[in-house]
Amino acid sequence: EIVLTQSPGTLSLSPGERATFSCRASQSVTGTFLAWYQQKPGQAPRLLIYGASSRATGIPDRFSGSGSGTDFTLTISRLEPEDFAVYYCQQYASSRTFGQGTKVEIK
Amino acid sequence: EVQLLESGGGLVQPGGSLRLSCAASGFTFSSYAMSWVRQAPGKGLEWVSSISGSGSFTYYADSVKGRFTISRDNSKNTLSLQMNSLRVEDTAVYYCAKDRGTISWHDHWGQGTLVTVSS
Repeated sequence: EIVLTQSPGTLSLSPGERATFSCRASQSVTGTFLAWYQQKPGQAPRLLIYGASSRATGIPDRFSGSGSGTDFTLTISRLEPEDFAVYYCQQYASSRTFGQGTKVEIK
Repeated sequence: EVQLLESGGGLVQPGGSLRLSCAASGFTFSSYAMSWVRQAPGKGLEWVSSISGSGSFTYYADSVKGRFTISRDNSKNTLSLQMNSLRVEDTAVYYCAKDRGTISWHDHWGQGTLVTVSS
């Protein structure tokens, strides 16, 4: 099983700042088969990024994904108030597993 | 507009059974794989099971293999999850999700249904 480790566990930032999330896999994720989701309290997750770097429909261009192999990154260029949430990475190269999540909170 | 509406959650005793359903609309249901993903209270997401568009192929997490069965009725646009031999650790919100392909990401999610396993 591919284990995904996200860091940091919590990010304390202010609106307008840049947010960077890391997702590290225990073995190579072939084909960049990695997605990112956003989840707000009491809501279902929402797809942000698939294929490591492709934005889902309707996702603002302040969200970007990069990486390959075992190291992946999600970046929010300038945090908007609605971006404070929990972010999960998921690999779908070998079955499917999620990372444990990174929470972005208002500083 | 894609809509996924889960139902069937509730309180069940350890060792009991429960059947979840997901009514889908807004897309050609039979053309897409579907999945169940769960989230224990205050915890992260855990993929549970997936099924191909035709229903011919099914996939399970090790934690539920042999206890849960995923199925679909393409004539009724409905996805199901039969859960047997339930354990306390199966307590979670269960989300129905539409997949982009058979082994791929989840591009749309339902609002979830809560399953509580407790005596």
